[in-house]
Parts: sequence; structure tokens; C-alpha cells
Amino acid sequence: DVKVTQSSRYLVKRTGEKVFLECVQDMDHENMFWYRQDPGLGLRLIYFSYDVKMKEKGDIPEGYSVSREKKERFSLILESASTNQTSMYLCASSLILSGGTDTQYFGPGTRLTVL
Amino acid sequence: AQSVAQPEDQVNVAEGNPLTVKCTYSVSGNPYLFWYVQYPNRGLQFLLKYITGDNLVKGSYGFEAEFNKSQTSFHLKKPSALVSDSALYFCAVRPHSNYQLIWGAGTKLIIKP
Repeated sequence: DVKVTQSSRYLVKRTGEKVFLECVQDMDHENMFWYRQDPGLGLRLIYFSYDVKMKEKGDIPEGYSVSREKKERFSLILESASTNQTSMYLCASSLILSGGTDTQYFGPGTRLTVL
Repeated sequence: AQSVAQPEDQVNVAEGNPLTVKCTYSVSGNPYLFWYVQYPNRGLQFLLKYITGDNLVKGSYGFEAEFNKSQTSFHLKKPSALVSDSALYFCAVRPHSNYQLIWGAGTKLIIKP
């Protein structure tokens, strides 16, 4: 089974702090994704990466950055946390399959609260 | 703009009854279609996907989904609901043109004993 792990289940930070969320997958997947989940809004893509050191902006990249130095690890960085970044953050990974039929596999999520 | 609609925020079903969770989409071309489930305090789990072929797709936990091209719908179904099916269900659509999934807002399914 694919396993995607996230560094923390719950995190509480203060406004202005730099926050690191880490995600590790163990299935040698090329693609990795960071989403945030808010009630009534579904999942919104923040960033994704299709290879080491490669990244693409998603729908809501403002206030976030990412790092992918190794294939299995994808980090989300909040440079200066703000209260409107309080949310559930989900990491996912997938293989690159022909025609885009790949399935995304998700980690358990990190519930971040910014005070 | 491309979008996915799950018209019901919540669906209530009695245990043992059939259930349907609706999904319609507005995406160009012939996209790939997915259903995911999120149990309380858990990440999302893949249920099933439609790529091509038979319009009825079978997935995990006894769920199936019916693709209707003319109505651009991909409704999730199960013949007999279980209390343990209570969860948040997401429909997602992927255009052929990129890596990104377009997600619905989610439907909370409540199965009452």
C-alpha cells in the first residue's frame, strides 16, 4: 500500500512565525501535491511538483512556498503565518501514468491553527 | 471556468436503503472522473475512477458510480447503506490537459441506524 505521511497531525503557531509542513511518500511517486481543505470549499491546490526541484503554482499559492530536494519529500512553507492560513493541509502523491489516469494518495492531514 | 458541483451539502439515508451522492461537472473534453471519501479525522481515500469504457464503475466498499456523458454527471451509488459509510465524499475531475484535479465542495453523507 502507498503510504503518505505528514510531520504533524495538529499544529498551533503564532502570527508571523515561519511554519514548515513536511510530507513523505514511500512509493517512488513523481508527483506530489499540497492542498488546503476548508469547509464548503473542497480542496484547493496550493502547489504541486512533478519532479525533484520542480514546482508549479496551484490555485492559491500566495503566502506559501515549497521545496522538493528529494523525490520522496515535499515541504510546504508558510513564510509568515497569518490567521487566514488556519486550515487543514493535505499532502498527496501520484505516479505519472499515461493519459493522466493517475490516482492521488493522501496523507492524514495537518490541522494548522494560527493565533 | 471549469467546475465541479456537488449540489447537496448533506445527504441523509436510513441504513439498508440505497444511497446516491450527486456530482456534475463543467469541463471541456472527456475528463477523467474520481470519487474520494474522507472519514472523520482521516485523510482522503480513493474510492473509484472513470477513465473510459463501461459507464458503470465499481469501487471500494461496495460503491459504484455511473457516468452520464450527456448530463455530464458522475453520481456515486450504493445499493444498501451502512452506518460506517457516514463520511465526507468528494467528486473530482481531471481534464486531459494538466495534472490538476478540479474538486467539488464535498457532500456529507449521514447514515442513520
